[in-house]
Amino acid sequence: QVQLQESGPGLVKPSETLSLTCTVSGYSISSGYYWGWIRQPPGKGLEWIGSIYHSGSTYYNPSLKSRVTISVDTSKNQFSLKLSSVTAADTAVYYCALVPGGIVDSWFDPWGQGTLVTVSS
Amino acid sequence: QSVLTQPPSVSGAPGQRVTISCTGSSSNIGAGYDVHWYQQLPGTAPKLLIYGNSNRPSGVPDRFSGSKSGTSASLAISGLQAEDEADYYCQSYDSSLRDVVFGGGTKLTVL
Repeated sequence: QVQLQESGPGLVKPSETLSLTCTVSGYSISSGYYWGWIRQPPGKGLEWIGSIYHSGSTYYNPSLKSRVTISVDTSKNQFSLKLSSVTAADTAVYYCALVPGGIVDSWFDPWGQGTLVTVSS
Repeated sequence: QSVLTQPPSVSGAPGQRVTISCTGSSSNIGAGYDVHWYQQLPGTAPKLLIYGNSNRPSGVPDRFSGSKSGTSASLAISGLQAEDEADYYCQSYDSSLRDVVFGGGTKLTVL
């Protein structure tokens, strides 16, 4: 079955760029589907960050669009998230997930276990 | 303030039936976009519970059911069990915001 695993620094300084990678196993990204990032601040709800198609087409949350870049590396079977100019408000658990149906009417399944990123000096 | 509104908390005794509402608007649920539901146990990643308004992924017990009507959707859990104690989130798409949107989450307590 498809499994996803997030990796990256757990601590990022304010104004710097947060970088995370999601490694996919059990399925070849180049075969299809969208792949997404979602975050959850401590004690709060879920927020979609953006999604990428296996071909590289991207769709971002409008409120984060100016700071987000999602890319895919099919040779490594990974996709990545970069969030620039971070502040304490970006402190959250970041999840990657498979998006089976596209952007508009799709859901997220399965999810990675998540990784906590803290923004602090 | 979430685009999709859920009650902050619901509770029920073991064996009872509870429902969790998810209220949207004409630009999301009311526009015909599908609603999906997730269960998040403490300290774990969300898990898909219902997709496409009322479909259960394999492995999800039939005690969980979803429905949608107008600008709202509901998740029903029958035969409550202690292991159902978790946070539940609804999710849809909003055409005005061009955004995938989540409800604020509902904490289910099994008394």
